[in-house]
Amino acid sequence: NAGVTQTPKFQVLKTGQSMTLQCAQDMNHEYMSWYRQDPGMGLRLIHYSVGAGITDQGEVPNGYNVSRSTTEDFPLRLLSAAPSQTSVYFCASGSPGRHGYTFGSGTRLTVV
Amino acid sequence: QKEVEQDPGPLSVPEGAIVSLNCTYSNSAFQYFMWYRQYSRKGPELLMYTYSSGNKEDGRFTAQVDKSSKYISLFIRDSQPSDSATYLCAMSVAYNTDKLIFGTGTRLQVFP
Repeated sequence: NAGVTQTPKFQVLKTGQSMTLQCAQDMNHEYMSWYRQDPGMGLRLIHYSVGAGITDQGEVPNGYNVSRSTTEDFPLRLLSAAPSQTSVYFCASGSPGRHGYTFGSGTRLTVV
Repeated sequence: QKEVEQDPGPLSVPEGAIVSLNCTYSNSAFQYFMWYRQYSRKGPELLMYTYSSGNKEDGRFTAQVDKSSKYISLFIRDSQPSDSATYLCAMSVAYNTDKLIFGTGTRLQVFP
């Protein structure tokens, strides 16, 4: 049982480049989310999905796109990378309440 | 002002000490309160979950919620070096919502 798998683990981008952060879960969870974690800022919600075909914006959605075509996958797309998007990105699935979220191990992104 | 405030620490204690970690919040609508533990370069993992006010105990860990004061706490008894991690509080308004708001995290170090 792999849980939540994020790829890549590390990435360096040049300003203006685009890329997709991959997230896959094998627990049949309906809820999936993307967070970014920055020093002194905690975890901030970027986008989330409550099921296949349904997505919504979180606290810091600008510069990011998502889609949810299957229950298992929830990719995060950076349209035109900026240095302000340098961060650690976590994908999570599950329930925000009693059973909590299962987090992936993160993608460390540096934009130069 | 952030919705959830948490002292970033670091907090350094000797092995065997009782640790108290705290968060305050401003949104009186929060009803679900969680504590996550995050080891260095790993994703957060759910440690404790509490609904509304009251206490919940799980082994060496006790979570307390005081909704009248908008204050939550996590106590760790007989702290161990393996407890060294960052502890994040998190809360949400409804059970079936993806809007999980995190504190910035408190870094704890337990030395032998």
